[in-house]
Amino acid sequence: DTAVSQTPKYLVTQMGNDKSIKCEQNLGHDTMYWYKQDSKKFLKIMFSYNNKELIINETVPNRFSPKSPDKAHLNLHINSLELGDSAVYFCASSHRGGTGYNEQFFGPGTRLTVL
Amino acid sequence: AQSVSQHNHHVILSEAASLELGCNYSYGGTVNLFWYVQYPGQHLQLLLKYFSGDPLVKGIKGFEAEFIKSKFSFNLRKPSVQWSDTAEYFCAVTGNTDKLIFGTGTRLQVFP
Repeated sequence: DTAVSQTPKYLVTQMGNDKSIKCEQNLGHDTMYWYKQDSKKFLKIMFSYNNKELIINETVPNRFSPKSPDKAHLNLHINSLELGDSAVYFCASSHRGGTGYNEQFFGPGTRLTVL
Repeated sequence: AQSVSQHNHHVILSEAASLELGCNYSYGGTVNLFWYVQYPGQHLQLLLKYFSGDPLVKGIKGFEAEFIKSKFSFNLRKPSVQWSDTAEYFCAVTGNTDKLIFGTGTRLQVFP
């Protein structure tokens, strides 16, 4: 009964490769997010989708392209991987209630290592 | 722009000691405030949140936090820590968007 799941959990790849990380939530939420956690544990939002529409796009290189085929999925594709992309990537989801914001639930993370 | 400061980067305590982790934010409007915990090798879990109402918020595992608007603070407290509280603690804030702005985190180590 996993709420927010990500695959793969670990990803080791060479510089220059293209890779994808998948995220799925079964909470019935309408908003999903990608966060990056660097080696110093600092967490920063990358993207957010609401009902499959991009609503937050932070200053992220074009090599990162999120795709939301439906409300329950938000995948992250990364082209031409660089050493600096090594990090833990967390997916999260929430429901946009009347207050305009609700608690975000996080996935287990994907540890990406670029060699 | 919104920002969150956590001044304690690394805290080391013995079991049964009391804990207070500082969190200050900068944002002029209405805020929603959160504390998340990340146990070693695990994902983020919500400890507690403040949206409105009573500024003293009770969370899970005996944690509480107090929102002091005049000080732009939302400090996390626990009267008696346990070894199992060893983790990374993140304060976060949202304003009028869905964007969670995180602090840099505080690493808590509790020794038996």
